[in-house]
Amino acid sequence: DSGVTQTPKHLITATGQRVTLRCSPRSGDLSVYWYQQSLDQGLQFLIQYYNGEERAKGNILERFSAQQFPDLHSELNLSSLELGDSALYFCASSEQTDTQYFGPGTRLTVL
Amino acid sequence: AQSVTQLGSHVSVSEGALVLLRCNYSSSVPPYLFWYVQYPNQGLQLLLKYTSAATLVKGINGFEAEFKKSETSFHLTKPSAHMSDAAEYFCAVSTNVRNQFYFGTGTSLTVIP
Repeated sequence: DSGVTQTPKHLITATGQRVTLRCSPRSGDLSVYWYQQSLDQGLQFLIQYYNGEERAKGNILERFSAQQFPDLHSELNLSSLELGDSALYFCASSEQTDTQYFGPGTRLTVL
Repeated sequence: AQSVTQLGSHVSVSEGALVLLRCNYSSSVPPYLFWYVQYPNQGLQLLLKYTSAATLVKGINGFEAEFKKSETSFHLTKPSAHMSDAAEYFCAVSTNVRNQFYFGTGTSLTVIP
């Protein structure tokens, strides 16, 4: 158990819909990272937050957004969903310059 | 810029045989290097990490990796494969700037009984 929690575990929705994925980092970790893992594109870095502020952006679509709240949990919002958004979404957390610890992931299925 | 190349997307070994998973990195600054393992339907779990201390790093489950600067490599090895080692393995490089990770495309390890 990494100490990072993600909810929900599974999410099934329809094209065009909007969903929110939630992540609680390890106690004391200020950084949160979001990744997308799909069969065709592998593990893709989406975005990083540090203590509530966006720190780095990766291959994140404009339809996707994230935020980190004062209690350090983070949410990833995915809107106007397409079939190709079906993937595993991972959250990871770390201290400022240390190992990233991954949550168990949320499996999103868009029908 | 940083990047990681994992040679071989699929590796098969017999139970009890040596496991060797290859990782080469590119980094403009001294890197931090990591190996993660992902079992089916689970998140990534840290196996080991190199952060500029000893070049031979020992991790969990009998795995180890050696940092070779001259070869820009960080290959993962295990002397004797076990059935439970079957999983996806990811190499990653990071720097001390923003702690952004760059992952390789992963190597799927199959262990044949």
